[in-house]
Amino acid sequence: AQKITQTQPGMFVQEKEAVTLDCTYDTSDPSYGLFWYKQPSSGEMIFLIYQGSYDQQNATEGRYSLNFQKARKSANLVISASQLGDSAMYFCAMREGGGTSGTYKYIFGTGTRLKVLA
Amino acid sequence: NAGVTQTPKFQVLKTGQSMTLQCAQDMNHEYMSWYRQDPGMGLRLIHYSVGAGITDQGEVPNGYNVSRSTTEDFPLRLLSAAPSQTSVYFCASTIRRDSYEQYFGPGTRLTVT
Repeated sequence: AQKITQTQPGMFVQEKEAVTLDCTYDTSDPSYGLFWYKQPSSGEMIFLIYQGSYDQQNATEGRYSLNFQKARKSANLVISASQLGDSAMYFCAMREGGGTSGTYKYIFGTGTRLKVLA
Repeated sequence: NAGVTQTPKFQVLKTGQSMTLQCAQDMNHEYMSWYRQDPGMGLRLIHYSVGAGITDQGEVPNGYNVSRSTTEDFPLRLLSAAPSQTSVYFCASTIRRDSYEQYFGPGTRLTVT
């Protein structure tokens, strides 16, 4: 079963507008972390934002915010004031594990390709 | 700091050949991992290590071996390359196993013919 689901293969947004990239997850582990990464066409993976399962507040990093709805198991990325340089592939990821098992496994979604239009 | 380095950047292998993808980090990071990225599949975890001498399997470990004899190095060995292993391989590290920021290497593009 898919543990991380990104249902939007591609998205378009007008420059300077906000955009929401969807991510839902599935885990029975009470301790987990949720991440978003950006992969531009050059191929490198860039960390954007992190949300811990016990964090009370939604994470924010500059123009990025993570809309964390624990009961709905969703961790959507919101990019405000989109810029042309935001055009890239975006991956949602989850880290499971920890506790006494000591295992820490990352699971990635299939990604959303965002195109910002001038 | 050089961060996470990977060599080679590109490699072409024939079916059945073996090779080692190198990964090194100079940040004294505890956790290191290998991923493969295939079109439409996102990144899938192959193997990971939570410290020197400790490794474990990820989602797609078959056909790959790893070892972690030092904190800095985490090589990935392809034992007998198959066309299904054609992919882009990323190495990543975090300062501690429960840290939230993974640093990725630039990737190795491997083609198996």
